[in-house]
Amino acid sequence: LAKTTQPISMDSYEGQEVNITCSHNNIATNDYITWYQQFPSQGPRFIIQGYKTKVTNEVASLFIPADRKSSTLSLPRVSLSDTAVYYCLVGLGDSGYSTLTFGKGTMLLVSP
Amino acid sequence: EPEVTQTPSHQVTQMGQEVILRCVPISNHLYFYWYRQILGQKVEFLVSFYNNEISEKSEIFDDQFSVERPDGSNFTLKIRSTKLEDSAMYFCASSLPGLNYGYTFGSGTRLTVV
Repeated sequence: LAKTTQPISMDSYEGQEVNITCSHNNIATNDYITWYQQFPSQGPRFIIQGYKTKVTNEVASLFIPADRKSSTLSLPRVSLSDTAVYYCLVGLGDSGYSTLTFGKGTMLLVSP
Repeated sequence: EPEVTQTPSHQVTQMGQEVILRCVPISNHLYFYWYRQILGQKVEFLVSFYNNEISEKSEIFDDQFSVERPDGSNFTLKIRSTKLEDSAMYFCASSLPGLNYGYTFGSGTRLTVV
């Protein structure tokens, strides 16, 4: 499994754009990059998934450079409710199923 | 939005007792999982289940643990003879096969072994 590295914590203010970068130097050809969000005492929640270039949904954007050795989760105009731990995971290849291996994630704290 | 439902939300048990944690996965999902998270630590994989059998299990999932899908809707995790170190949040998840589907996790059961 490709190992991921992301900052332990980040601070932001309401209304700002937040970019969380994840390194995954050993990503395999058929690996996808997936981001989850976890609030305290809740299960992780799927945010976004991508393979290359850019993916955007109603919650976030995911930027993946051509070499795919890193990815950046972009949260536009964060609010206090975006305070959570964000996990970058690599896997879910074309087998259609993959065990998720969570790291420590990035604790994002949004302040007023 | 479809949800994975877990019951109970909190369970306290005495060391050595057996507990059963229950989950109702999303109805059209085919893969089912249990994860756990000890307070302040990472989310850890326990077991995956597909087509009525275990697909994969971690080192944590020893003979003390078992899973079952007793009917078409429930998915259970049984912990025999609980230990203090089994205290954790236990999350059930389910997923569809395919490239673009993430897991859907339940809100968890907080197990406290005293």
